[in-house]
Order: sequence, then C-alpha cells, then structure tokens
Amino acid sequence: GQQLNQSPQSMFIQEGEDVSMNCTSSSIFNTWLWYKQDPGEGPVLLIALYKAGELTSNGRLTAQFGITRKDSFLNISASIPSDVGIYFCAGPYQSNFGNEKLTFGTGTRLTIIP
Amino acid sequence: DTAVSQTPKYLVTQMGNDKSIKCEQNLGHDTMYWYKQDSKKFLKIMFSYNNKELIINETVPNRFSPKSPDKAHLNLHINSLELGDSAVYFCASSQDPAGFMAFGSGTRLTVV
Repeated sequence: GQQLNQSPQSMFIQEGEDVSMNCTSSSIFNTWLWYKQDPGEGPVLLIALYKAGELTSNGRLTAQFGITRKDSFLNISASIPSDVGIYFCAGPYQSNFGNEKLTFGTGTRLTIIP
Repeated sequence: DTAVSQTPKYLVTQMGNDKSIKCEQNLGHDTMYWYKQDSKKFLKIMFSYNNKELIINETVPNRFSPKSPDKAHLNLHINSLELGDSAVYFCASSQDPAGFMAFGSGTRLTVV
C-alpha cells in the first residue's frame, strides 16, 4: 500500500523554539491533511491543504502543499508545552476496493525538553 | 458531548478469547472506520463502512469482523485473540470516504 514517510521521526526541542517537519510520498496527492495526536487520545485535524503550493496557517502552525504534490511541510512557531504529541500527515488514495481511503504518515513525535 | 465515542477504553484479555469494541458517532457522518495503531504508532486502516455498507476491507485476518447496525454505529468483534492483536484501535467517522476524520479516543487492547 501507499506509504507516507515523515521526517524527522522524533524531535526534542526547548520551549520557544520553532519546529519544522515534512512528509513525502512516491505518488501524487491532491489533498494533504495534518493531524496531531495527544498522548492517550485520537488524532485531531489541524490543517487541510488542497492545491499545490498552497500555504495555510492555523495559529502558530503553518502548512504547505509541495509544488510537486508529493510532499507537504508543517511548521510550528514558538513551541509551547501543549505542542507535545505525534504529528501525522495524511492523504487520500485509491483502496483495493476502488474507493478513496485516507492513509497516514509514519508520524513525527515532538517532545519539549524543560 | 463526545462526537465519536468508543468503549471500552482499556481491554485486557487472555489469548483465545473473543471480544468486542463498540463505536458510536453523533456527527451525522455517513462513513465510519476502524484503524489499528501499533507500538510504533503507525496508523493502519482496517475497515470502512459507508451507510452501513462495507467499502474498505484491508488485509485483516478474518478473525476480525466489523458490524454496522446503522450508520451511527460500527462495532468490531475479534475472535480467538492473539498476542499480536495487542494495539490501540481507533474508530473514526467522516462525511465522505477519505474526508476529514473525527477520531474516537481509542481502545487499548492488551492480549496476555
């Protein structure tokens, strides 16, 4: 099946630092979604991107839809303790039933060092 | 009022047992899903139902059987549990297949 690779796998940063992570695919995607999973909870949608080159912000978060349509980037500015969690990219592709399904990236785990 | 609720939150059981996980959504969505998250945190889709009809069935052992009595509910029954079934199982829903998903808070299944 389709795999979305996220980099880095994990990050250890200090509060106040900016964060950058990316997601790459071997196939073209028409939509990119970014989710965040808090410990012990399910993923929650942060940002959705629909067009190549699109740049969208949600508070301190900014995501970009790569020009090649095979990658996407997420930046977090001035990190705070509640940013801790796992960030997943996701995108729809054809399932073996012929329907579209959402596939998730391998995740980037963000830890803030006190 | 929780949008996607699944029960139980924790489930510890012995190998060979049969168990069920229930899921309900009050968002009026037409599509519901089961995802499995392993110890490395990879999220993999297992099943998807659209208006009570199965539309996605990934390569999941047939010991796993989903059941959707109506479009607001999607339950997961697992027969003859194995150690490798230990994981966190997430229920989710969306208005359209592959649309924005709302997730439940997960069921942590531990098979001993």
